[in-house]
Amino acid sequence: QTVVTQEPSFSVSPGGTVTLTCGLTSGSVSTSHYPSWYQQTPGQAPRTVIYNTNTRSSGVPDRFFGFILGNKAALTITGAQAEDESDYYCILFVGGGNWVFGGGTKLTVL
Amino acid sequence: EVQLLESGGGLAQPGGSLRLSCAASGFTFSKYGMSWVRQAPGKGLEWVSALRSSGDDTFYADSVKGRFTISRDNSKDMLYLQMNSLRADDTAVYYCARGNTMADTRPDCWGQGTLVTVPS
Repeated sequence: QTVVTQEPSFSVSPGGTVTLTCGLTSGSVSTSHYPSWYQQTPGQAPRTVIYNTNTRSSGVPDRFFGFILGNKAALTITGAQAEDESDYYCILFVGGGNWVFGGGTKLTVL
Repeated sequence: EVQLLESGGGLAQPGGSLRLSCAASGFTFSKYGMSWVRQAPGKGLEWVSALRSSGDDTFYADSVKGRFTISRDNSKDMLYLQMNSLRADDTAVYYCARGNTMADTRPDCWGQGTLVTVPS
């Protein structure tokens, strides 16, 4: 069974930069996994932030960047703002039409 | 504006069935893959099932394979999830999500979700 890993939590100061990662317990993440990132605040539906590794979804501020970092997918937020405090989930395409989410990272901005 | 409105959630007994529906509007439904994603209370997101625009290709997470069936009616702009043999660990908010293209079922635009509760 494919397991996608994310840091459980992360903290960043307002105006700071943070990089969240998305990995596999076995193997490396590549663009062929079409990594995507979602932002979710409590009680709300998720919102797409990045898709296909590095494409920002419509309306997403340009302080959000997606890329491959070594053997993982990564999401960097530069100039973090209070409104970025959310849960962030990555998803990977694992073949056979199936997708797998990571466990999510709770980002705190303080 | 893309709108996805889920319905059909509620309380179901273990071993019972529910059928979720998702009404789509604001886009050409027949041109997009669709999926269902769920989130147990206080937990993370779990991809459940997806199908391509024609409905001919369907895909399931191992946790629901053989119990859940995804389908769509392109003439009515509707997506469905038939859930049978329900278990307590199926308790979750179920989100309907539009994909990115006809074949790309990656969840892109999301509904607000419908809660399914199966007591233990």
